[in-house]
Amino acid sequence: GENVGLHLPTLSVQEGDNSIINCAYSNSASDYFIWYKQESGKGPQFIIDIRSNMDKRQGQRVTVLLNKTVKHLSLQIAATQPGDSAVYFCAENLMNRDDKIIFGKGTRLHILP
Amino acid sequence: DAGVIQSPRHEVTEMGQEVTLRCKPISGHDYLFWYRQTMMRGLELLIYFNNNVPIDDSGMPEDRFSAKMPNASFSTLKIQPSEPRDSAVYFCASSEGLPRPFFGPGTRLTVL
Repeated sequence: GENVGLHLPTLSVQEGDNSIINCAYSNSASDYFIWYKQESGKGPQFIIDIRSNMDKRQGQRVTVLLNKTVKHLSLQIAATQPGDSAVYFCAENLMNRDDKIIFGKGTRLHILP
Repeated sequence: DAGVIQSPRHEVTEMGQEVTLRCKPISGHDYLFWYRQTMMRGLELLIYFNNNVPIDDSGMPEDRFSAKMPNASFSTLKIQPSEPRDSAVYFCASSEGLPRPFFGPGTRLTVL
């Protein structure tokens, strides 16, 4: 696939355990953040977003945490399933000044049986 | 809703040839984005449109690349002439209002 190996960090998690994927974003002025999931051979798929006036947001089996002090974003996936195997990207945006969405490098999540 | 539609899904061409990639955004979406994905550089924003008008093309790598959006339901990304280093997966994405792009399936381009 597009993100095979070279410089992509990989997280291996036992099926049923919780996964935590981390992201350090680059611009302290960014005020909107998105997590995407990309399965092999497909386009990135929206998972969850969060604005900078929040530090936590929950979805179905997923939680995003935002720490603006250290410019850190994390995605927590509860009870990881085989279908969660994918590459996960965080993306940032300067919502009130710019419409561009800038993506990070991605993390590969590998589910162990 | 059919989602973002891209064509072709795969394109193999020879160096020097013109390549045209096509995109139909989700109906009602007013933003359209073109991204390129490679192993080495990840997902790069090439250009984006708002209401059919190009807003930022600073990510377009060279003059060999051009993009148009003649109407709200169609956009093209053209490479002329193509080079082997242009080989990548090209994604089109669209969004309504808040820039939260929904991606198409991509076009895998191979330039020999």
